[in-house]
Amino acid sequence: GNSVTQMEGPVTLSEEAFLTINCTYTATGYPSLFWYVQYPGEGLQLLLKATKADDKGSNKGFEATYRKETTSFHLEKGSVQVSDSAVYFCAPDRGSTLGRLYFGRGTQLTVWP
Amino acid sequence: EAQVTQNPRYLITVTGKKLTVTCSQNMNHEYMSWYRQDPGLGLRQIYYSMNVEVTDKGDVPEGYKVSRKEKRNFPLILESPSPNQTSLYFCASSLVPSYEQYFGPGTRLTVT
Repeated sequence: GNSVTQMEGPVTLSEEAFLTINCTYTATGYPSLFWYVQYPGEGLQLLLKATKADDKGSNKGFEATYRKETTSFHLEKGSVQVSDSAVYFCAPDRGSTLGRLYFGRGTQLTVWP
Repeated sequence: EAQVTQNPRYLITVTGKKLTVTCSQNMNHEYMSWYRQDPGLGLRQIYYSMNVEVTDKGDVPEGYKVSRKEKRNFPLILESPSPNQTSLYFCASSLVPSYEQYFGPGTRLTVT
């Protein structure tokens, strides 16, 4: 069945540090891949996405590349800020015509000044 | 402003007392969905709707009901809430399931 494995948190970094949050998945077919972010007290919002192999999604300094061969979609940012403190969710779709998302467990990121 | 609204935002209730959490979107989206968020488990889909009068079970539908009589509204109904339904609930909508989903602000439910 479909599953997604995210790096367990919490992740604590100093400002300007490099961030990687790993995400691997199993799916039928070739799903679209998403990262969502949840800031404290809010609902989730789309951070970036990629829809086919080797695509790179990017937004707000974050990047993730669709790696079909390793079924991975790792999130990276070169220099984190305090305002990036949030919970990050990796979310492939189910690769079928319905395309419903399934979410990883989330990774809590805290950035200290 | 494009948004998904949920009400109430916070609710404390007792076991067995029926409740409804409302969800409304103003983006004319066809797809709507309910999730619950629990520590260590991430988001799990409860029910979803592809269009008016079309609903289907997600991954954790037990103990919940939904209806979709109008395109903009997708209420979540707990006929007889139990303590294991204490959770943070999110409604979401999108044009189609694999497009960007817009989430409501969440409803924190406590069942005692």
